[in-house]
Amino acid sequence: QVQLVQSGSELKKPGASVKVSCKASGYTFTSYPMNWVRQAPGQGLEWMGWINTNTGNPTYAQGFTGRFVFSLDTSVSTAYLQISDLKAEDTAVYHCARMLQADYYFDYWGPGTLVTVSS
Amino acid sequence: DIVMTQSPDSLAVSLGERATINCKSSQTVLYNSNNRNYLAWYQQKPGQSPKLLIYWASTRESGVPDRFSGSGSGTDFTLTISSLQAEDVAVYYCQQYYSTPYTFGQGTKLEIK
Repeated sequence: QVQLVQSGSELKKPGASVKVSCKASGYTFTSYPMNWVRQAPGQGLEWMGWINTNTGNPTYAQGFTGRFVFSLDTSVSTAYLQISDLKAEDTAVYHCARMLQADYYFDYWGPGTLVTVSS
Repeated sequence: DIVMTQSPDSLAVSLGERATINCKSSQTVLYNSNNRNYLAWYQQKPGQSPKLLIYWASTRESGVPDRFSGSGSGTDFTLTISSLQAEDVAVYYCQQYYSTPYTFGQGTKLEIK
């Protein structure tokens, strides 16, 4: 069965970096694009962008360029989200979500990784 | 960007009664070449990640109870729960995947009356 397992919660200080992982199993990793979705505490869902798991080409939503980087390690079927120069407003749960292909719905979601930025 | 607006923001319905959530997009999400509406509905229970309920506006995901149904086309869509069960307490989101940035509605919190 399809599973997306994410890394555990992180507590970081402002200015630090964090790398969140999303390990996929139960399907061919490179056949399905992976999206990243942010959910601030008590708030709704915000699409950050997606990465083509076949080519490694990322697409970032406006507001998620510069400090946010999507990457892959296809040898271990894992997608990564790295955020640098963390700010308090980056405090959120970050979900990975599988997409069947570009411009499709998200059929499986990871449980989310809480990143807390606090001094 | 396509703005998705849900109504109401919150809803309280008695067990066994019908619940209706609306979603309006700022521009059409109907792709004329294949006559498909690029609209999905997700359910997020407290402390959990979102779960896909409906895609193509009206196609129920495998395993989703048939009390959940989706309807609408173009810019106006509805999620209906025909007979509310206790386990349906959640926040419901609509999402357009017609064009990037893929955007979500603000969410509708569904509670038991």
